[in-house]
Amino acid sequence: DQQVKQNSPSLSVQEGRISILNCDYTNSMFDYFLWYKKYPAEGPTFLISISSIKDKNEDGRFTVFLNKSAKHLSLHIVPSQPGDSAVYFCAASNDYKLSFGAGTTVTVRA
Amino acid sequence: KAGVTQTPRYLIKTRGQQVTLSCSPISGHRSVSWYQQTPGQGLQFLFEYFSETQRNKGNFPGRFSGRQFSNSRSEMNVSTLELGDSALYLCASSLAILANTGELFFGEGSRLTVL
Repeated sequence: DQQVKQNSPSLSVQEGRISILNCDYTNSMFDYFLWYKKYPAEGPTFLISISSIKDKNEDGRFTVFLNKSAKHLSLHIVPSQPGDSAVYFCAASNDYKLSFGAGTTVTVRA
Repeated sequence: KAGVTQTPRYLIKTRGQQVTLSCSPISGHRSVSWYQQTPGQGLQFLFEYFSETQRNKGNFPGRFSGRQFSNSRSEMNVSTLELGDSALYLCASSLAILANTGELFFGEGSRLTVL
C-alpha cells in the first residue's frame, strides 16, 4: 500500500519557469518530509526537507510546502534550469522508516 | 570522503538462482538501509541495519535477507530469484539509525536482471 503518492509521473517545463512537483500522503503519523533527486545511473541525492511542525522551507531555488490538513507536499523550483532535469522522489518519515513515492521525471526544455 | 560503494554494479541471473549484493557505507556511518527501485513503484524499503542488528524491515518475502558486519559493511541476499526481482537495488547510509530527519546518502545501485 503506497503511503506516499506522486500522481504525476512526468513534468515538462521551460527553462526559467517554475516547476511544481506534488506529493500526497496517507499516514498522518509522518513527521518529516523530504525530496530526493536522481540522475540516471546515479543514486538519489538529498535535496530538501521539512519537519511536520513547519509549513515551508526554502533553500535557494528550492522551496518545499507542507499542507498537513490536506496531507499534501509540494516542491517548487524557481527558476528551472536544464540541470534540474532528473527524477524527483518525495519521501516521508515516521518510526524510523522512510516511505518513497514513485517519482516524477522533470524535463527542463531550453 | 568516499561515498557509498555498491558492488557489483550490474549482474544477470536466472530464475531460481541466488544473489548477494554488497554495500560499503560512508566512513563513520553506522546505519545501512536497502531499497528496491522498480519502474512505477519508486523506492521500496527492504531493511535497515545499525551496529550489526536489523532495526527495521519492509514488506518483502523471506527470500530477501541481509546482514551487517562489524565494519558497517552490509550485504543483502536474494534467494530463489524470480523475474519480478529484476530491479535496481540501492544501498544508503547515515550516521545514526535511519536518522529520523531522513537524510540518507545513496550508492549508485546494483542493477539486477533476472532471466
